[in-house]
Amino acid sequence: SQQGEEDPQALSIQEGENATMNCSYKTSINNLQWYRQNSGRGLVHLILIRSNEREKHSGRLRVTLDTSKKSSSLLITASRAADTASYFCAQRGKTSYDKVIFGPGTSLSVIP
Amino acid sequence: GAVVSQHPSRVICKSGTSVKIECRSLDFQATTMFWYRQFPKQSLMLMATSNEGSKATYEQGVEKDKFLINHASLTLSTLTVTSAHPEDSSFYICSASIGFGEKLFFGSGTQLSVL
Repeated sequence: SQQGEEDPQALSIQEGENATMNCSYKTSINNLQWYRQNSGRGLVHLILIRSNEREKHSGRLRVTLDTSKKSSSLLITASRAADTASYFCAQRGKTSYDKVIFGPGTSLSVIP
Repeated sequence: GAVVSQHPSRVICKSGTSVKIECRSLDFQATTMFWYRQFPKQSLMLMATSNEGSKATYEQGVEKDKFLINHASLTLSTLTVTSAHPEDSSFYICSASIGFGEKLFFGSGTQLSVL
């Protein structure tokens, strides 16, 4: 399987705390993307980080990429109850077949 | 931002019937569309990659005759679940990409329940 891993599988924190989710992948990538999914809905794109980038920010989100370790992390600062959702990393390969493979995801619960 | 419309959002059908799910990119031309399947509390499993005007590329283990994909135009792809059975019950999600290496825009998903 090309899927890779994410940890933790589930994370429960208090509102205002930071949440960190990690993702590892197996193959060379063109970029790595993070998505959010509310229960029973489609996915929303959060951040895309390219293979030649090491860190990227978007509002309260910070993503890092370590291609030597084939890993990435997503940090959500000052979490809110509305951040409760599942978060997935997705690797986009370098080949022309252009697959997008999703990790197993982290279920985040932010307690008010 | 770009919008992907997926219909229907929910379908209940009898075993043996066929179900068609539509995925449209409303305000952009999608060079590639992807179809995923998701079981409860699990990740998305890529079923096939669909390019306009050409045959879909199916992932290993996905039956081509069972899950028919037609990418008729740059804005429309359809997934037909033929002769559906209860084990086909799942959440199906489509996504579209504007160009190679770019982010995906997702439909809202279709919950298929086969009785």
